[in-house]
Amino acid sequence: QVQLVQSGAEVKKPGASVKVSCKASGYIFTGYYIHWVRQAPGQGLEWMGWINPNSGATNYAQKFQGRVTMTRDTSINTVYMELSRLRSDDTAVYYCARDLGWSRLLGGMDVWGQGTPVTVSS
Amino acid sequence: QSALTQPPSASGSPGQSVTISCTGTSSDVGTYNYVSWYQQHPGKAPKLMIYEVSKRPSGVPDRFSGSKSGNTASLTVSGLQAEDEADYFCSSDAGRNNVLFGGGTKLTVL
Repeated sequence: QVQLVQSGAEVKKPGASVKVSCKASGYIFTGYYIHWVRQAPGQGLEWMGWINPNSGATNYAQKFQGRVTMTRDTSINTVYMELSRLRSDDTAVYYCARDLGWSRLLGGMDVWGQGTPVTVSS
Repeated sequence: QSALTQPPSASGSPGQSVTISCTGTSSDVGTYNYVSWYQQHPGKAPKLMIYEVSKRPSGVPDRFSGSKSGNTASLTVSGLQAEDEADYFCSSDAGRNNVLFGGGTKLTVL
């Protein structure tokens, strides 16, 4: 079945970096964009950016530009999101999600990973 | 860009209908027909309920419907059921292929 499986929980110190993986299965990996969305405890959803697994092109939310890097490895159908210079307010659950558009962005995210909790604490 | 504006809470009794609004600007909701709605139960990942303003993914009950007028999109849940109690988030294309989410609405089934 179509699914996204993310890496496990992380605990990091302020100033460190975290890299979260998202492995796709059950569909043509290069045919669908992947978004990254985070959710701080008790808060709403926050869009971080997307990656086109086919071309590697990325688009980051202005808030995260300079701190986030999204990459992919087509040999293992996996995308990665790395966030650097972590702060305590980066503590959140990080989700990857597939855009439902075939080779284009429709904004609707129809398949979600299970989420990766990231805790930033000294 | 500021988040789209949603009421923090909404409620209705079983069988009733409830509508949740999502207000943006002419730079997002008002311009693009790429408005989506998500349902999120506690501790779970969000689930897509509506995309492109009013389209339902396969498997989503037709009790869920979406619409848009000007800068405001709406999600209507008809025939409320206990399992509809959840948080609901809207999102919109915000130009240059950016995505903007709403702050979320907690729906309570009385």
